[in-house]
Amino acid sequence: QKEVEQDPGPLSVPEGAIVSLNCTYSNSAFQYFMWYRQYSRKGPELLMYTYSSGNKEDGRFTAQVDKSSKYISLFIRDSQPSDSATYLCAMSVSGATNKLIFGTGTLLAVQP
Amino acid sequence: DAGVTQSPTHLIKTRGQQVTLRCSPISGHKSVSWYQQVLGQGPQFIFQYYEKEERGRGNFPDRFSARQFPNYSSELNVNALLLGDSALYLCASSLTAGDYGYTFGSGTRLTVV
Repeated sequence: QKEVEQDPGPLSVPEGAIVSLNCTYSNSAFQYFMWYRQYSRKGPELLMYTYSSGNKEDGRFTAQVDKSSKYISLFIRDSQPSDSATYLCAMSVSGATNKLIFGTGTLLAVQP
Repeated sequence: DAGVTQSPTHLIKTRGQQVTLRCSPISGHKSVSWYQQVLGQGPQFIFQYYEKEERGRGNFPDRFSARQFPNYSSELNVNALLLGDSALYLCASSLTAGDYGYTFGSGTRLTVV
């Protein structure tokens, strides 16, 4: 079993839809939770960064962490064609290294 | 300001050869991490360096090595290349070793034939 599980998709939605992306994990020691967006042939770009449980909002993006269920989510409101990309969840424990464990990524296509 | 820069952008090597990939972090960032991303998968941690010392190593064979220079730039070396080493190699930098929100470069795409 992988430490971080993420549905690879692809997920196709119409422009303006609310998108929900999710990851589950098995390591209860994870404390730092990130969402990255990766366009084709580019490096990942940090979207959201959350420590421990709770919600965080930034513009059209909301990240949620439920440590009791070992489940994290990213919501995108009013989705745009420019949101079409692969979304990667990543997490880490607190320690001597800032190593991230990534999910496989979910490919999102927003249709105009 | 320049982001994380990696060179070269693309590389084709033959099995058994050796390759060196280079990374320049964002100015002021002292920690550099290397990741391997195979097509269709998430990035996998290879190394972290901070202040020229190795702070972490992922589950990769000894054919993979890295170092960090006094100016905080870094090199990743891979010896005795295998077909399975074909991947996008990503460098990421952060201010400190404990900073989790790091910035990635665009990567070096390595193809082993």
